[in-house]
Amino acid sequence: GAGVSQSPSNKVTEKGKDVELRCDPISGHTALYWYRQSLGQGLEFLIYFQGNSAPDKSGLPSDRFSAERTGGSVSTLTIQRTQQEDSAVYLCASSLKRGRAFFGQGTRLTVV
Amino acid sequence: AQKVTQAQTEISVVEKEDVTLDCVYETRDTTYYLFWYKQPPSGELVFLIRRNSFDEQNEISGRYSWNFQKSTSSFNFTITASQVVDSAVYFCALLFTGGGNKLTFGTGTQLKVEL
Repeated sequence: GAGVSQSPSNKVTEKGKDVELRCDPISGHTALYWYRQSLGQGLEFLIYFQGNSAPDKSGLPSDRFSAERTGGSVSTLTIQRTQQEDSAVYLCASSLKRGRAFFGQGTRLTVV
Repeated sequence: AQKVTQAQTEISVVEKEDVTLDCVYETRDTTYYLFWYKQPPSGELVFLIRRNSFDEQNEISGRYSWNFQKSTSSFNFTITASQVVDSAVYFCALLFTGGGNKLTFGTGTQLKVEL
């Protein structure tokens, strides 16, 4: 596609439910990032995929969070048993190796 | 440690003033890349510049200029004659090759330009 696409754009879920957030990176980009941004805050790194290397999961805040990237393309971030503190905008970005990162519009997650 | 520090949390200026946003980075790598992104109130992240560690030339793009100094590990961003439309959060970021080419962001500087 022309840019990084994230879906859904907005998600409201009940506390305790699982959610899946999807990211379609730019075709050919080997690197894919997930970040979280709480209201008025900076970008919190979550996870990073680079080609066929093992992902860098060092930013995942708890074992309720997981992500996968299938076929080196689409990525899904899964949050299990959501909590209110998980409410944030989840941003996905992709890039060529060492290139500028292109960001999606984000998924605004609200846990009620 | 590899990190990016943006010590200025918030800056307020009056339109037409010049403003400099500071960025200090730490890395043991000799090859790395530095970036600036803008996040206006609408929320999307807008790429502004990418600079590699071997290119210390300052760059000017319209009202924007960047001063890269390896001696002080700084990559500062200056907006000349600021405008209200410049109001946004600005993020500095570091990509270090020794860290698997992962992009690390600073905490951002909120710039408010008032009439």
